[in-house]
Amino acid sequence: GDSVTQMEGPVTLSEEAFLTINCTYTATGYPSLFWYVQYPGEGLQLLLKATKADDKGSNKGFEATYRKETTSFHLEKGSVQVSDSAVYFCALSFPTGNQFYFGTGTSLTVIP
Amino acid sequence: EPEVTQTPSHQVTQMGQEVILRCVPISNHLYFYWYRQILGQKVEFLVSFYNNEISEKSEIFDDQFSVERPDGSNFTLKIRSTKLEDSAMYFCASTGGSSTSPLHFGNGTRLTVT
Repeated sequence: GDSVTQMEGPVTLSEEAFLTINCTYTATGYPSLFWYVQYPGEGLQLLLKATKADDKGSNKGFEATYRKETTSFHLEKGSVQVSDSAVYFCALSFPTGNQFYFGTGTSLTVIP
Repeated sequence: EPEVTQTPSHQVTQMGQEVILRCVPISNHLYFYWYRQILGQKVEFLVSFYNNEISEKSEIFDDQFSVERPDGSNFTLKIRSTKLEDSAMYFCASTGGSSTSPLHFGNGTRLTVT
């Protein structure tokens, strides 16, 4: 069935380090792909999205490219900040049925 | 920017009691959802709702759970007889329903069953 697999956490990085959080998906058809972020004590917020192959979503210095050939949507940031400490969720959706599938989440801690 | 609002932010109840969690989705959205997240764990789908009926539900959403859209703005989740394992964060979400629309989440209700 359709699913999303995320890199296991937790991830701890020093400030200004490079971040990659891997996400791969299994799906028939052409899903839309999303990254959500959950800051401590808050709900999930949309971080970025991509809706077709080779699209790049970007926001707040984060980027992810929809790679159909590798069924991946890895999240990257060139220089993380302490304020990026949060849990990151990869997700996909299909237009029919409006069903969303979430990965297990990856916890990121950035230390000064 | 319009947002999904949930009340209460924290609900404490005794095992066996009924609870109702309330949500006001974004006003022009068509699809509504409930998810739950047990502390530190993954976000689990409970139910989706469209056109005044359940469109899909997970195996978690058993006979103890029900949803309702009583008045065209509120969207509620009722747990009839709470169990200890129902303790979790419950998130409401909505989407406009186009093929590329993301989910918009509320800040959640923390349910503690004692």
